[in-house]
Amino acid sequence: RKEVEQDPGPFNVPEGATVAFNCTYSNSASQSFFWYRQDCRKEPKLLMSVYSSGNEDGRFTAQLNRASQYISLLIRDSKLSDSATYLCVVNLYSSASKIIFGSGTRLSIRP
Amino acid sequence: EAGVVQSPRYKIIEKKQPVAFWCNPISGHNTLYWYLQNLGQGPELLIRYENEEAVDDSQLPKDRFSAERLKGVDSTLKIQPAELGDSAVYLCASSLVSGLTEAFFGQGTRLTVV
Repeated sequence: RKEVEQDPGPFNVPEGATVAFNCTYSNSASQSFFWYRQDCRKEPKLLMSVYSSGNEDGRFTAQLNRASQYISLLIRDSKLSDSATYLCVVNLYSSASKIIFGSGTRLSIRP
Repeated sequence: EAGVVQSPRYKIIEKKQPVAFWCNPISGHNTLYWYLQNLGQGPELLIRYENEEAVDDSQLPKDRFSAERLKGVDSTLKIQPAELGDSAVYLCASSLVSGLTEAFFGQGTRLTVV
């Protein structure tokens, strides 16, 4: 089993729709969680950190469920510009932190 | 403020040849990462530096890959000899505090081994 797993998609949704991605992680000791966005042939960029209490940034909402070991990303009122690959990132911080990326979920927004 | 700078952007080499990639992290960032990314996959960590010390190189294929970070700033990643399967994008990233703060990525070096 991979340490971080994501549904690869692609998700193809119409503009204005709400779409949600999940990501599961295998190590219960994982401490920090992030969502990164990667456009085609570009480098990954931080979209948002994921906090235990959940957090929202405009149309984006991130949730963490430690008991079930998954994080989620919800995008409301999706825009054409949201088309990208969304990478789930988990950091296991013990004596030496280890940052693990999921394989990414591809999202395509159609007009 | 300048971001993470990598060079070259693209490199095409024949198999069995050596190749080197260079990375200049964001000023003040002590943590530097080298990742490998294959098409359709997420980045995979090759090595992580805290200042000049390689603190996690467990995923680095040491028979052919080597890295250094002299003076805890710039870093180079070398492959010798390159194999066809090494074709990928090599990403460098840096962060203030390892794993707890945002990692900023360079644009990557796209390596093609023919």
